[in-house]
Amino acid sequence: DGGITQSPKYLFRKEGQNVTLSCEQNLNHDAMYWYRQDPGQGLRLIYYSQIVNDFQKGDIAEGYSVSREKKESFPLTVTSAQKNPTAFYLCASRMDRNSNQPQHFGDGTRLSIL
Amino acid sequence: QKEVEQDPGPLSVPEGAIVSLNCTYSNSAFQYFMWYRQYSRKGPELLMYTYSSGNKEDGRFTAQVDKSSKYISLFIRDSQPSDSATYLCAMRPPRAGSYQLTFGKGTKLSVIP
Repeated sequence: DGGITQSPKYLFRKEGQNVTLSCEQNLNHDAMYWYRQDPGQGLRLIYYSQIVNDFQKGDIAEGYSVSREKKESFPLTVTSAQKNPTAFYLCASRMDRNSNQPQHFGDGTRLSIL
Repeated sequence: QKEVEQDPGPLSVPEGAIVSLNCTYSNSAFQYFMWYRQYSRKGPELLMYTYSSGNKEDGRFTAQVDKSSKYISLFIRDSQPSDSATYLCAMRPPRAGSYQLTFGKGTKLSVIP
């Protein structure tokens, strides 16, 4: 089945710790995105990548880092510099960086602080 | 004024009712409009995707865009308990760099059997 797989579903972080959230897609999509969702707020863009080995900051990139070494993978690291990391993190992808195709989402990772 | 306004609800309707969900926006450059459905603890699922003004129908769902009023709607006919979810509107200008979407905060819908 084609889709976007996020893992783990639930993740706990200790103070001062970096954690990495996985996002893998087998849709052959060029573009990938990371969003953060907080209660009562819309989705906010953290980082996006339109092509392998290239990525751009979104609206709330501080305290996060990403890499795009393979087309199918776009991991997000939540660093210790992110002081309020508790949220639902969503990964999305889109077919072609120059097309008008919509974004499709994975099922998210819920990150909490221990 | 926020770019996209969406009433968060919650909205509670009886099974079989017609549901109307709405978003208003301020950026006249938006031309692509989407509705996503999000079940609890799941990712958003694309329901409808429309370009510019007009109507689009898919089964029990109809999306309407009124660009002159900067207003979009999603109608659900013969609502079912399985329609209980949060509905997110999203929109973007044409060919805008990252194709970044601007989202509403979502409306939580409950359909009561």
